[in-house]
Amino acid sequence: DVKVTQSSRYLVKRTGEKVFLECVQDMDHENMFWYRQDPGLGLRLIYFSYDVKMKEKGDIPEGYSVSREKKERFSLILESASTNQTSMYLCASSPPGYRGYTFGSGTRLTVV
Amino acid sequence: QQQVKQSPQSLIVQKGGISIINCAYENTAFDYFPWYQQFPGKGPALLIAIRPDVSEKKEGRFTISFNKSAKQFSLHIMDSQPGDSATYFCAASMKQGAQKLVFGQGTRLTINP
Repeated sequence: DVKVTQSSRYLVKRTGEKVFLECVQDMDHENMFWYRQDPGLGLRLIYFSYDVKMKEKGDIPEGYSVSREKKERFSLILESASTNQTSMYLCASSPPGYRGYTFGSGTRLTVV
Repeated sequence: QQQVKQSPQSLIVQKGGISIINCAYENTAFDYFPWYQQFPGKGPALLIAIRPDVSEKKEGRFTISFNKSAKQFSLHIMDSQPGDSATYFCAASMKQGAQKLVFGQGTRLTINP
């Protein structure tokens, strides 16, 4: 069964901290995505990547960066966490040309 | 232009009833329209998807109806069951360029027994 694994289910960080959210997929997918999910706003795309070392901004990239050094791993970085980044973060992957994403279970991040 | 608008935000249906969730879009370049189902504590999972060359697609109790001229599509859940209680997201993407999914705001569906 295809799998997308997010390293933490729950995370509590302090304002100003640098935060790393990790995502690993075991399906050899080229495409990987980071979304944040907020009530009433749905899922909004932060960053995505089509290949190793490649990244593109999504709709809400401000305050975030990403890293993709290996095909199976896509990391989301909050450079200096702020309270408005408290959210559910979802990682997804898909093979090229196929638009059905496989999502991880999410990381609920609270910034205090 | 990139938005997908979803309604209602929440919905309560009696067991055995029909659940209907609606979505509307503006960008006519969208050519793929999936629905995702999300249970508490889980990520969204692909439920059913449609392309604009057909007006309806059915998989079991789940049906997507698509109205290209109105730029609207909807999810119908027939004979709704308590196990269908979840959050549902519609989405859309274009063939060209990034092919990234744009999601609606989500609908929290509750099926009362």
